[in-house]
Amino acid sequence: NAGVTQTPKFQVLKTGQSMTLQCAQDMNHNSMYWYRQDPGMGLRLIYYSASEGTTDKGEVPNGYNVSRLNKREFSLRLESAAPSQTSVYFCASKKIQETQYFGPGTRLLVL
Amino acid sequence: TQLLEQSPQFLSIQEGENLTVYCNSSSVFSSLQWYRQEPGEGPVLLVTVVTGGEVKKLKRLTFQFGDARKDSSLHITAAQPGDTGLYLCAGVRTGNQFYFGTGTSLTVIP
Repeated sequence: NAGVTQTPKFQVLKTGQSMTLQCAQDMNHNSMYWYRQDPGMGLRLIYYSASEGTTDKGEVPNGYNVSRLNKREFSLRLESAAPSQTSVYFCASKKIQETQYFGPGTRLLVL
Repeated sequence: TQLLEQSPQFLSIQEGENLTVYCNSSSVFSSLQWYRQEPGEGPVLLVTVVTGGEVKKLKRLTFQFGDARKDSSLHITAAQPGDTGLYLCAGVRTGNQFYFGTGTSLTVIP
């Protein structure tokens, strides 16, 4: 049981480049989430997917898109990266009424 | 603007001391969670409190949910170096949206 896995672990982008962060869970969870973590800001929700086939905006969705590919996978795409998107990105998943489990994070630097 | 404010932001104490971390909001939450995060890892859930006024204990950690369900506190008795980490509170307003606090970085010096 790997839990929640994220790829890549680290990434450096130049301003304007695009990339997709991948997330997969093997716990048969319905809901999946993408957060970003910045110093002094805690975690802020970017997008979430309550179930396969649905996605909703969180607190800070601008500059991001998501795809719930299937029940296991939830990807986050940056179409044109900006320095303000330098952050640590966490994916999480959970079943209804149960605990949220987090992946190990992706550290992104946009130059 | 963060929905949940934590204080203090940083805390450095000697082993054996007691401490309290506060999580405050002007909004009401259906439940509130506390997480601990180690460097380079994702947050791990410590506890969920659901009822206003609820108190939960986890060994040396005591969690309290405010009567009005707008605030919470985490008290650690006789802190140990293993308690070092980033403590995050998170409020739940609907079943699917979590609002995290600003975080408290705790260092316990041996």
